[in-house]
Amino acid sequence: EVQLVESGGGLVQPGGSLRLSCAASGFTVSDYAMGWVRQAPGKGLEWVSAISGRGTSTYYADSAKGRFSISRDDSKSTLYLQVNSLRAEDTAVFYCAKSYDSSDFYLPHYFDYWGQGILVTVSS
Amino acid sequence: QSALTQPASVSGSPGQSITISCTGTSSDVGGYKYVSWYQQHPGKAPKLMIYDVSNRPSGVSNRFSGSKSGNTASLTISGLQAEDEADYYCSSYTSSTTLVFGGGTKLTVL
Repeated sequence: EVQLVESGGGLVQPGGSLRLSCAASGFTVSDYAMGWVRQAPGKGLEWVSAISGRGTSTYYADSAKGRFSISRDDSKSTLYLQVNSLRAEDTAVFYCAKSYDSSDFYLPHYFDYWGQGILVTVSS
Repeated sequence: QSALTQPASVSGSPGQSITISCTGTSSDVGGYKYVSWYQQHPGKAPKLMIYDVSNRPSGVSNRFSGSKSGNTASLTISGLQAEDEADYYCSSYTSSTTLVFGGGTKLTVL
């Protein structure tokens, strides 16, 4: 059974940083691209970032470029999202998601499994 | 990249069919066969319902179907059931090598 469990969220002051983690199990993690999608309270889904199966390619939404960094450690079956220079509008539930293949040279265009999400609150 | 356009809400009675539209541009929905649909119940994670315009993942009811014409994709749910009440989001690949979601549609089963 595929399981994705996010951690690392919480309350952070504007300008602060967090590293979100996503522990994956139930599949061979290195064979699949992964991504992050966020959802502000009461709002819709917003794609944030994705990384290919071997970590060779990374992709970012304009809102994440320069402030967020996606990475993976397949030896630990864990996906990360480093979020820096946080603003109030970054307050959201961040979902980790698994893609359908390794997507070594292209952005994966859908996610077939999602974690339960982790809340990041940016406030002073 | 602007969000794809979905109706804020749709409703239907049990047993009826409803269709949710998702309108983009030739740079996203109209340019690729890479539209997907997700169902989200309150407080829960999104669930993939349709991928690549019209394909259903294993385990998703055949009451759910997808299609596309030009810059507009559609999700049709036939034989509405109470458990279908949820938020639905479309998503598309874009020419900027990003993904874009729709604003979401709240489905109410009357």
